[in-house]
Amino acid sequence: EVQVLESGGGLVQPGESLRLSCVASGFTFSSYAMNWVRQAPGKGLEWVSVISKSGGATYYGDSVKGRFTISRDNSKSTVYLQMNSLRAEDTAVYYCAKEGYVLNDWYGKIDCWGQGTLVTVSS
Amino acid sequence: QSVLTQPPSVSAAPGQKVTISCSGSSSNIGNNYVSWYQHLPGTAPKLLIYDDNKRPSGIPDRFSGSKSGTSATLGMTGLQTGDEADYYCGSWDDALLAVVFGGGTKLTVL
Repeated sequence: EVQVLESGGGLVQPGESLRLSCVASGFTFSSYAMNWVRQAPGKGLEWVSVISKSGGATYYGDSVKGRFTISRDNSKSTVYLQMNSLRAEDTAVYYCAKEGYVLNDWYGKIDCWGQGTLVTVSS
Repeated sequence: QSVLTQPPSVSAAPGQKVTISCSGSSSNIGNNYVSWYQHLPGTAPKLLIYDDNKRPSGIPDRFSGSKSGTSATLGMTGLQTGDEADYYCGSWDDALLAVVFGGGTKLTVL
């Protein structure tokens, strides 16, 4: 069964850092790009970042650019999201999500989502 | 303000059909595939439609997708109370170099 499982969420103060992890199973991890998507309380889905299958290409949403860094370790089937200079508006459930395209470096077909991990930024 | 525009809510009676629109631009929907997602509160979102009109295995043919120019539409027939959820369209944006989502549409089956 294809699965992704997030961890690392929690309560942090504004300006602090946090690293989220996502372990994948049930598929050839190195063949797929991986995303992070978040949902703030009462809001819709907001795409955060994507990393290509090799890790050679990364893209970010404007609201996190320069503060968040996505990375992956294909030997561990794990993708990370390093979040620095956290703000109250970063409070959200963060979903790890697998891209569905395997033959092309295309993005936007997210075919497997985790249950999410809650990040709360508050003093 | 989302890059893709969806109506905030739609409603229909059980057994009826409904459509949800998603409006974008030439840099996203107009030049890239559209996906649709179903999100029930407290659960993981689910891919309903990809590549504009394809259904993943396990998604019933009550769900359909279409696209024309810079707009896409999700169609649902034979509505069930279990279909009550938030629905999101998504696509890649060539100008932003980002995945973009619509603001979401809440479906009420009443």
